[in-house]
Amino acid sequence: NAGVMQNPRHLVRRRGQEARLRCSPMKGHSHVYWYRQLPEEGLKFMVYLQKENIIDESGMPKERFSAEFPKEGPSILRIQQVVRGDSAAYFCASSPPRSGEADTQYFGPGTRLTVL
Amino acid sequence: AQSVAQPEDQVNVAEGNPLTVKCTYSVSGNPYLFWYVQYPNRGLQFLLKYITGDNLVKGSYGFEAEFNKSQTSFHLKKPSALVSDSALYFCAVRGRGSTLGRLYFGRGTQLTVWP
Repeated sequence: NAGVMQNPRHLVRRRGQEARLRCSPMKGHSHVYWYRQLPEEGLKFMVYLQKENIIDESGMPKERFSAEFPKEGPSILRIQQVVRGDSAAYFCASSPPRSGEADTQYFGPGTRLTVL
Repeated sequence: AQSVAQPEDQVNVAEGNPLTVKCTYSVSGNPYLFWYVQYPNRGLQFLLKYITGDNLVKGSYGFEAEFNKSQTSFHLKKPSALVSDSALYFCAVRGRGSTLGRLYFGRGTQLTVWP
């Protein structure tokens, strides 16, 4: 049973370019969460999605960042016009469809974004 | 507001000795509490969680954690440390009936076990 898959594992972008990060949840999971880990810091929540729905995006920066989880295919975190401060590790997590408050989130290996 | 504090950035322990990684939390009402471990350049691996009931929770790789409501703590413990336990450990909390989904993480504690 494959775990949470993220690609690419490493992404280098120049300032002003777009970054697209992909996340495929564990098989049978329909809830996806995105977190960002800045150097020397813990993980910060960004957005919580279910298929075709954004449930909670209160952790997303107001501009340049967007996320989607379409009916088919992986979840996408999109960062437009990247700046150096966007350099971080971005982690995706998933949980099963019946997700209650106590359900465990399972994390992918992360995408390490470097903005030059 | 919900938050987690891991007061020690680093914990160093000799192999075979007991280890403790500390975590305190702040949340309205009763919490759900989690411990994750992160190895270099890897994602977070789930270790254990507290939902309700017995205050001592047993998890993967011989780890356990004790929920203490009066001290709002959830310290991670292991009776005998291994060199392979060296990693970054994160405590996380979610309040009951609170904001959907999100976990609040501490800054992490780097555990080093020397031979």
